[in-house]
Amino acid sequence: EAGVAQSPRYKIIEKRQSVAFWCNPISGHATLYWYQQILGQGPKLLIQFQNNGVVDDSQLPKDRFSAERLKGVDSTLKIQPAKLEDSAVYLCASSPLGSHYNSPLHFGNGTRLTVT
Amino acid sequence: QQQVKQSPQSLIVQKGGIPIINCAYENTAFDYFPWYQQFPGKGPALLIAIRPDVSEKKEGRFTISFNKSAKQFSLHIMDSQPGDSATYFCAASTIQGAQKLVFGQGTRLTINP
Repeated sequence: EAGVAQSPRYKIIEKRQSVAFWCNPISGHATLYWYQQILGQGPKLLIQFQNNGVVDDSQLPKDRFSAERLKGVDSTLKIQPAKLEDSAVYLCASSPLGSHYNSPLHFGNGTRLTVT
Repeated sequence: QQQVKQSPQSLIVQKGGIPIINCAYENTAFDYFPWYQQFPGKGPALLIAIRPDVSEKKEGRFTISFNKSAKQFSLHIMDSQPGDSATYFCAASTIQGAQKLVFGQGTRLTINP
């Protein structure tokens, strides 16, 4: 099966600019996640969708970050305006419906964002 | 309560040795404990996972040991190879509800030839 697709692979922007990331999950996967991975740290969940509904966005900085999954398939994550501390790899993951034990997460290769 | 603490931060082992990476958690509601392997420029990939009703699980050269009373779990890599050099993350979540996966800080493992 094709994996989780993310684009772009790299993005360099200046602070206060806006940026958007795109994710296409594995076909048939109902649940989609966006994680932020700061250099040297583990991934941190930003937002979790099930189909096109938000399950958890408690760690999403909503004053600057937004995400949508309009048709329950692909998703976009936007940052506006970006801050220096937003420099990180943004990982998208997907999983089928069901428990993590039987339906584990599959990650894409991420988008590396550098904010200067 | 939502944290998973991982150690060591980095580890260097000779080929054939047995690196051990440890994790500890506080939230007793966690009931799913996976380990992920990440190579540079790639996303994390599931390596092996365990539920707390067993104390050990083996898959090939990888073993998870789980101590429910101590709220700790560890990854052992038998007969380690240079190709195992990567960053390893432990994680935890609940199987019910929102299943929010919480990751440890990661261990950069280097296997010298």
